[in-house]
Amino acid sequence: EVQLLESGGGLVQPGESLRLSCTVSGFDLSHYAMTWVRQAPGKGLEWVSSISAGGRSRYFADSVKGRFTFSRDNSKNTVYLQMNSLRADDTAIYYCVKGGNTTWSGLDPWGQGTLVTVSS
Amino acid sequence: QSVLTQPPSASGTPGQRVIISCSGSDSNIGDNYVYWYQHVPGTAPKLLIYRNNQRPSGVPDRFSGSKSGTAASLAISGLRSEDETDYYCASWDDSLSGWVFGGGTKLTVL
Repeated sequence: EVQLLESGGGLVQPGESLRLSCTVSGFDLSHYAMTWVRQAPGKGLEWVSSISAGGRSRYFADSVKGRFTFSRDNSKNTVYLQMNSLRADDTAIYYCVKGGNTTWSGLDPWGQGTLVTVSS
Repeated sequence: QSVLTQPPSASGTPGQRVIISCSGSDSNIGDNYVYWYQHVPGTAPKLLIYRNNQRPSGVPDRFSGSKSGTAASLAISGLRSEDETDYYCASWDDSLSGWVFGGGTKLTVL
């Protein structure tokens, strides 16, 4: 069974940093693209970032470009979202999502999400 | 403002058929597959339709998807009370080099 487990969420102050982790099981991470999607309170789903299976290609939403980085350690079955210079509007549930063999070939399944709250 | 446009709400009575639309452009729906998700707040979104009209195993055939040009739609027939939740369309956007989502449609079963 494919499973994704996010961790690392929490309460931080504006300007601080946080690193989210997503540990997967049930599939070979090295063969799949991965994506982060978030949902702010009362809002819809918003794509954050995607990384290719090999890790060479990374894509970011304009809202996080230059502040967030996406990395992967296939040997640990884990991907990471490093979030710097956090702002109040980054407050959201962050979902880790399994992709296909390319970044554009589907998003499924999703993890349960981890809550990030940016507030002073 | 979402790149893909969905109606914010839809409704129907038990047993009815409801259609949720999703409008995009050449760079997303026009050139790429459309995916539909059912999202109960507080839980992981669930894939309902992939590649425009394919249903994953375990998804009832009451759910169906279609695409024409730069628009797509999700049809739910035989509406049931447990269908009352949020639905999102998604597609890859070649111009943005990223995923785009609709703003979500809240379905109410009257």
